[in-house]
Amino acid sequence: GAGVSQSPSNKVTEKGKDVELRCDPISGHTALYWYRQSLGQGLEFLIYFQGNSAPDKSGLPSDRFSAERTGGSVSTLTIQRTQQEDSAVYLCASSFGGLSNQPQHFGDGTRLSIL
Amino acid sequence: DAKTTQPPSMDCAEGRAANLPCNHSTISGNEYVYWYRQIHSQGPQYIIHGLKNNETNEMASLIITEDRKSSTLILPHATLRDTAVYYCIVEDNRGGSNYKLTFGKGTLLTVNP
Repeated sequence: GAGVSQSPSNKVTEKGKDVELRCDPISGHTALYWYRQSLGQGLEFLIYFQGNSAPDKSGLPSDRFSAERTGGSVSTLTIQRTQQEDSAVYLCASSFGGLSNQPQHFGDGTRLSIL
Repeated sequence: DAKTTQPPSMDCAEGRAANLPCNHSTISGNEYVYWYRQIHSQGPQYIIHGLKNNETNEMASLIITEDRKSSTLILPHATLRDTAVYYCIVEDNRGGSNYKLTFGKGTLLTVNP
């Protein structure tokens, strides 16, 4: 079946520009997560959506980062006024519920490069 | 604050079983153990998870010790495509945010021809 789909797969932009990253979760999955992975580093949690509940935004590194999830499905992560330290792979995952015993399934990420 | 300990690297011959160990001595009674792997330029791939009992699926088997302080992921017949970094993760149930997966450095498994 279809997995988590992310677009674009690669994005190169100039410092100061805004970028939008898209995530299509697995159909039927109510929980959606954004992480980022910098070169040689582990995963850094960014934000978590679960159904109609208020999202957990505790991992967003600054107010330049925001995310939406419309209609309980597709999500968009927006980074405003990009900085070079924003360069990383941004990963989206989804799961059937946000509880234990529900593994997260990841997309292949968007590789963001800020010049 | 790492909750798991894995060897940094392992080698395995193609066609043989790969046994990847993980120590998680501080695991709590209701925390699951998850295994993921990541091949270069791809997102993490879910492999298997378990709580107390041993688990098996089409990809691997997971053996959890009775005291739950360690586990072993077994790839029964390793292929070259199984070369990847393997992550053992224990969810953190403190504070109700068990969904925040924390990946350590993992084990780089190299399957040799």
